[in-house]
Amino acid sequence: QSVLTQPPSVSAAPGQRVTISCSGGSSNIRSYDVSWYQHLPGRAPKLVIYDDNKRPSGIPDRFSGSKSGTSATLGITGLQTGDEADYYCGTWDSGLSAGVFGGGTKLTVL
Amino acid sequence: EVQLVESGGGLVQPGGSLRLSCAASGFSFSTFWMHWVRRAPGKGLEWVSRIKYDGTTTNYADSVKGRFTVSRDNAKNTMYLQMNSLRADDTAVYYCGKDLHILGVDHWGQGTLVTVSS
Repeated sequence: QSVLTQPPSVSAAPGQRVTISCSGGSSNIRSYDVSWYQHLPGRAPKLVIYDDNKRPSGIPDRFSGSKSGTSATLGITGLQTGDEADYYCGTWDSGLSAGVFGGGTKLTVL
Repeated sequence: EVQLVESGGGLVQPGGSLRLSCAASGFSFSTFWMHWVRRAPGKGLEWVSRIKYDGTTTNYADSVKGRFTVSRDNAKNTMYLQMNSLRADDTAVYYCGKDLHILGVDHWGQGTLVTVSS
């Protein structure tokens, strides 16, 4: 059972928009910045959003992040087949004194 | 160019030990926090440990606390993860990563596979 809760899967057609939610609590999301990762098994994770809503260099503006209270959201517009991957939210938890990830959301581009 | 290269993974029996290394280059290693993260087969990403840039602060996931020890040698630009009392559920690909800000890890190694099995 992950500290951060994500939907197991989301899907949408190419060109469409999808959002992935990440729900936590006062000791994690409310208190610390949230990052989002794209990951394919066997490959290195890729940071797509940090500090709630910032994009690292090289990440297209199709990716966006937001946060409100104890929840964060990753948005991806103009979906491409290459966006198919597992997406994870992550942050720090002061109660655990540990990093925490969501359980991951599998994105399928139909 | 930032590069992180993990090594030291392999097959080990339950109860055994392994030491992973993460060799860094292309950035000022001694000024960044570093992380270990793993992904077990069929499971999601799991944060394992982090170490402060000067080695004075370390944190661990409850699942590895008391068994794993993270350290670093800034003179060698290398981070380590000593894993003792290994269990089957430690089987995973282990990644090291450079921290940008609060678990915003902007560069990762390619991962090293640890298999715990008899």
